[in-house]
Amino acid sequence: GAVVSQHPSWVICKSGTSVKIECRSLDFQATTMFWYRQFPKQSLMLMATSNEGSKATYEQGVEKDKFLINHASLTLSTLTVTSAHPEDSSFYICSASPTSGGNYGYTFGSGTRLTVV
Amino acid sequence: AQSVTQLDSHVSVSEGTPVLLRCNYSSSYSPSLFWYVQHPNKGLQLLLKYTSAATLVKGINGFEAEFKKSETSFHLTKPSAHMSDAAEYFCVVSGGGYQKVTFGTGTKLQVIP
Repeated sequence: GAVVSQHPSWVICKSGTSVKIECRSLDFQATTMFWYRQFPKQSLMLMATSNEGSKATYEQGVEKDKFLINHASLTLSTLTVTSAHPEDSSFYICSASPTSGGNYGYTFGSGTRLTVV
Repeated sequence: AQSVTQLDSHVSVSEGTPVLLRCNYSSSYSPSLFWYVQHPNKGLQLLLKYTSAATLVKGINGFEAEFKKSETSFHLTKPSAHMSDAAEYFCVVSGGGYQKVTFGTGTKLQVIP
């Protein structure tokens, strides 16, 4: 149980275009999902907390207009990288938890490798 | 506030020998602690978690970790390393509820045949 599906697993796009990444909880409902970014050989950095039916909460330094988050249902959150540039190339991972998370642990998606050319 | 420190960025062991990955934490709350493993270009997989129950926690693939409050540590161990254990390991602390989780910087485990 507690499976999180992330799609696509990799994407290559041209500079200036937008890319949407989906994160789905397959067998549980998640009122809250999290989006992380991981640079090569570094740890995961929390970008934003996605809340179902309300605005996402962004971490300091993360551009809200660049990284659009939509959490329209209890099983789906999307991250859209708008007007992507090569510096946006990274590994993006989402996570969710079927409970309050702190005691259960978070289930992570398999990640999306974004390359902007 | 909370933080987590993984004391070694790289650990190299021979196949069949014990593994020790060190993690120290600080937290203003009674923490929940986790170890995750990440293989190259893959997502993260939960190895084990501590949530204020037994201090010695057993996880998947033969890994275990011991929560030591007096030392604020949560080191990950395995009696005998396997080649498939080569990966990046992350120690994570959470204050509970939907509070933010904090990741350590990761330890890359190399297993030498």
